Amino acid sequence: AQSVTQLGSHVSVSEGALVLLRCNYSSSVPPYLFWYVQYPNQGLQLLLKYTSAATLVKGINGFEAEFKKSETSFHLTKPSAHMSDAAEYFCAVSEGTGGFKTIFGAGTRLFVKA
Amino acid sequence: NAGVTQTPKFQVLKTGQSMTLQCAQDMNHEYMSWYRQDPGMGLRLIHYSVGAGITDQGEVPNGYNVSRSTTEDFPLRLLSAAPSQTSVYFCASSTGYRTDTQYFGPGTRLTVL
Repeated sequence: AQSVTQLGSHVSVSEGALVLLRCNYSSSVPPYLFWYVQYPNQGLQLLLKYTSAATLVKGINGFEAEFKKSETSFHLTKPSAHMSDAAEYFCAVSEGTGGFKTIFGAGTRLFVKA
Repeated sequence: NAGVTQTPKFQVLKTGQSMTLQCAQDMNHEYMSWYRQDPGMGLRLIHYSVGAGITDQGEVPNGYNVSRSTTEDFPLRLLSAAPSQTSVYFCASSTGYRTDTQYFGPGTRLTVL
């Protein structure tokens, strides 16, 4: 079975600092990986996704993630945090065996300090 | 397009009551799913459907029923509410391909007393 582990339930950065949110996955088949963002009192929306094309994936709002098969990782980064980046971020992997399911990580809440 | 809509936004139930959470999408997506979100646990899949008339269980299906009579609608029924079902519920839809984005509704916050 596939699974996702997000390291750190809370991450705090200063405005302008690097954002790094960590995600490791477990999968017996080539994974398709996603990062979703949830702003307060809203549903989730897609930030970016890896679908076996380029290993470095660029998303919205300046975020990017790199798929590293040897490390089973898909960490999310942004060079310079903005106050508006404060939200909860979810890493997810989609299963392909016998139907479509998405497995989500527990989430990482990002705080941005002025 | 309205995307994915959910009603109600908030609901308070007493233990043992039943209710239906409504979900509708206007994107002609085949795949729809229900998740619950609890602090520190991320989103957990309750039930999903790969098309009208076809549903299957997810990770935490106990206490919930679903049906899919049309492509657009995917209601979630709580048969006899329990305090453990206090959560935020999200409905999502997609084309069903593994690489496809899921589109989420705004959520229903349910409290069971």
